[in-house]
Amino acid sequence: GNSVTQMEGPVTLSEEAFLTINCTYTATGYPSLFWYVQYPGEGLQLLLKATKADDKGSNKGFEATYRKETTSFHLEKGSVQVSDSAVYFCALDTNAGKSTFGDGTTLTVKP
Amino acid sequence: GAVVSQHPSWVICKSGTSVKIECRSLDFQATTMFWYRQFPKQSLMLMATSNEGSKATYEQGVEKDKFLINHASLTLSTLTVTSAHPEDSSFYICSARALTVGETQYFGPGTRLLVL
Repeated sequence: GNSVTQMEGPVTLSEEAFLTINCTYTATGYPSLFWYVQYPGEGLQLLLKATKADDKGSNKGFEATYRKETTSFHLEKGSVQVSDSAVYFCALDTNAGKSTFGDGTTLTVKP
Repeated sequence: GAVVSQHPSWVICKSGTSVKIECRSLDFQATTMFWYRQFPKQSLMLMATSNEGSKATYEQGVEKDKFLINHASLTLSTLTVTSAHPEDSSFYICSARALTVGETQYFGPGTRLLVL
């Protein structure tokens, strides 16, 4: 079956530090890949996505590249802010329509 | 952009009562809606997939008589937790997928249920 493995957290960084959250996946076929962000007490918001190999998704300074050869979709940001503190979920969608989520990584950015 | 709403955002109820949660796609038509459950500090667990006009498909281990799902229109799905017990307390999140195949899911803000 499909699965998503995320870097375990929590991750604590100082403001303006570089962020990487690793994500690897196992899937049949050619999934679309997503990063979602969840702020405390809220639902999930789509952060970025990529639908095919070598695509780069980007939004709000975050980016991730769909790497088929390494089955990875690592999330990066060059300079994090306190407001980036949240839980980040990596996920994949197949054409069957269901999503598979990673366990989430909690990011805390300190001033 | 696509917006999905949930109502209520918070509900507290007594053990044994039933609670209905609504999920609406506000500015697009959704052939498919998904219901998830999230425990504190954990990931989302898919409970069921709801298609407009047909019966919901439940994931293994989810009691369909306990969690009743109705997808009455292309913009509304409801989840009813019947005879709620304290262990049903959780954060319930819905998502909706647009008509176009392969479209992104759009998530609702979630409903926090506390059963006393």
